[in-house]
Amino acid sequence: GAGVSQSPSNKVTEKGKDVELRCDPISGHTALYWYRQSLGQGLEFLIYFQGNSAPDKSGLPSDRFSAERTGGSVSTLTIQRTQQEDSAVYLCASSTTSGRNEQFFGPGTRLTVL
Amino acid sequence: AQTVTQSQPEMSVQEAETVTLSCTYDTSESDYYLFWYKQPPSRQMILVIRQEAYKQQNATENRFSVNFQKAAKSFSLKISDSQLGDAAMYFCAYNFGNEKLTFGTGTRLTIIP
Repeated sequence: GAGVSQSPSNKVTEKGKDVELRCDPISGHTALYWYRQSLGQGLEFLIYFQGNSAPDKSGLPSDRFSAERTGGSVSTLTIQRTQQEDSAVYLCASSTTSGRNEQFFGPGTRLTVL
Repeated sequence: AQTVTQSQPEMSVQEAETVTLSCTYDTSESDYYLFWYKQPPSRQMILVIRQEAYKQQNATENRFSVNFQKAAKSFSLKISDSQLGDAAMYFCAYNFGNEKLTFGTGTRLTIIP
């Protein structure tokens, strides 16, 4: 079956613009995660959705970052008024129940803020 | 807070040889999960191996095995018979409770033909 997909693959934007990154999880996966990977760094947790529960937003770095998950499936990560430090690869992952099962990752979106 | 440390930014190994990647972590929990993920240049994160902390037996997946030392909070990855396709970034990760993964900063593995 299809894996986790993300779009766009690459995004170049100007400082101050808003961007939206999309994630399509594996069908039937109830848990969805967003991570950020800055150049030369490990992965940093951003936000976690599990079913109909309130999302865990504890990793969002500022109020310019938000995410939603519609119908328990597709998720959109929005970054408002982008800054150069937002440049990174944004990775989405999904899993069947809890994260104690394998998290399946998408190919990521590389965001470049000029 | 849980932390994961990978002290080897880069490692290299001759093809067909064995290499060990180090990982230590800090937690006050007793029941948790540890993972090694591989990230090739394609950016796709791929699960290599998983260890459940309550299991004393070290996990093994074909050429990949771990040395899990719970008391020392150490979780190293051994790759046997290294192949060119093993070249990638390797990330150690920890998971407990709220399900997010906490990652180390990674080790870049180069395979020398």
